[in-house]
Amino acid sequence: DAKTTQPTSMDCAEGRAANLPCNHSTISGNEYVYWYRQIHSQGPQYIIHGLKNNETNEMASLIITEDRKSSTLILPHATLRDTAVYYCIVRGYSGGGADGLTFGKGTHLIIQP
Amino acid sequence: EPEVTQTPSHQVTQMGQEVILHCVPISNHLYFYWYRQILGQKVEFLVSFYNNEISEKSEIFDDQFSVERPDGSNFTLKIRSTKLEDSAMYFCASSTTSRGLAGFFGPGTRLTVL
Repeated sequence: DAKTTQPTSMDCAEGRAANLPCNHSTISGNEYVYWYRQIHSQGPQYIIHGLKNNETNEMASLIITEDRKSSTLILPHATLRDTAVYYCIVRGYSGGGADGLTFGKGTHLIIQP
Repeated sequence: EPEVTQTPSHQVTQMGQEVILHCVPISNHLYFYWYRQILGQKVEFLVSFYNNEISEKSEIFDDQFSVERPDGSNFTLKIRSTKLEDSAMYFCASSTTSRGLAGFFGPGTRLTVL
């Protein structure tokens, strides 16, 4: 699986858009980009994933560069409840069975009131 | 909203004892996972399970660990002889797809080995 690089921490003002970057320069053609978050001591929570195209759901948007070497998770209107560690994970599909995810250290996003 | 449940929320055991951690995945999910997180460290993948067999396991998942889906609804993780370093939060997860999309994690079981 491709390695990912994320900033250790970021601050964002409540109500503003939070933009979390992730570098995955060694990503290969069949690898997806996943974003999860973990609010203190809780289980990780799936946010969004994508392969090539930008994706949007009720929680966030995912912007993947054309060369797929980096991506940005956007929380459009951050709230205090969005304070969490955000993980960018790249994972290919091995085919057939269930594939586990490798979590890194992630970005600790702190939403400031 | 459906959710993954785990019991107990906190388990305390003596070193060398066997423990079984219980999980009830979401009912229509087919892929099941165990992860652990030692305090202050990263979430680590242990094992994935599909079609009544292990699909993938990490180096952590040695002979001391086993998983079982005994009755079609529960998914258990057994640690045969616990060690101090097994103390961690253990998360169960389940998904409808196989692409690592463990979209639903449980709240975790905190295991403390004394």
